[in-house]
Amino acid sequence: GDSVTQMEGPVTLSEEAFLTINCTYTATGYPSLFWYVQYPGEGLQLLLKATKADDKGSNKGFEATYRKETTSFHLEKGSVQVSDSAVYFCAPSNQGGKLIFGQGTELSVKP
Amino acid sequence: NAGVTQTPKFQVLKTGQSMTLQCAQDMNHNSMYWYRQDPGMGLRLIYYSASEGTTDKGEVPNGYNVSRLNKREFSLRLESAAPSQTSVYFCASSVQLQGAAFYEQYFGPGTRLTVT
Repeated sequence: GDSVTQMEGPVTLSEEAFLTINCTYTATGYPSLFWYVQYPGEGLQLLLKATKADDKGSNKGFEATYRKETTSFHLEKGSVQVSDSAVYFCAPSNQGGKLIFGQGTELSVKP
Repeated sequence: NAGVTQTPKFQVLKTGQSMTLQCAQDMNHNSMYWYRQDPGMGLRLIYYSASEGTTDKGEVPNGYNVSRLNKREFSLRLESAAPSQTSVYFCASSVQLQGAAFYEQYFGPGTRLTVT
């Protein structure tokens, strides 16, 4: 069945460090790909999305590129801030339009 | 525009008690979803409703029932709560944009449920 694997957390970085959170997936057909972010005590918010191969989604300095050949959608940010501390979820959509969530990667950014 | 709202925010139940979690959205979305979030497990789909009048099981439906009361509201009922249902429950809604292949989901703030 469809599934997603994310890099395990927690990831701890210093402010202004470079961030990569790896995500690979298995899905039937050509799913759309999403990254959601969950700040402490809140629900999930859409961070960025890509709907076809080689698309790059970007928002708030975060980027991810839809790599069909490697079935990956890695999240990157060039310079993280303390306010980026949160849990990040990679989620492809399956053919029925439902999201398949990874286990989440907790990011902690220290000043 | 409140988005997706959920009530209650917190609830403590004893084993065997029943309760209903309420969810409403004001974005005129067709589809609505109930998820549970457990540590290290990500979000798992309990039930979903693709449109008013339809509901379908997700990945972990056992022990739950749902009602799509109208286009706005989608409730989740625990008939006889068990400690294994201790979790954070999220409601979400989405609409498929015409001609688009994706469904962007919007989430509520969650209900934290403890069953003792």
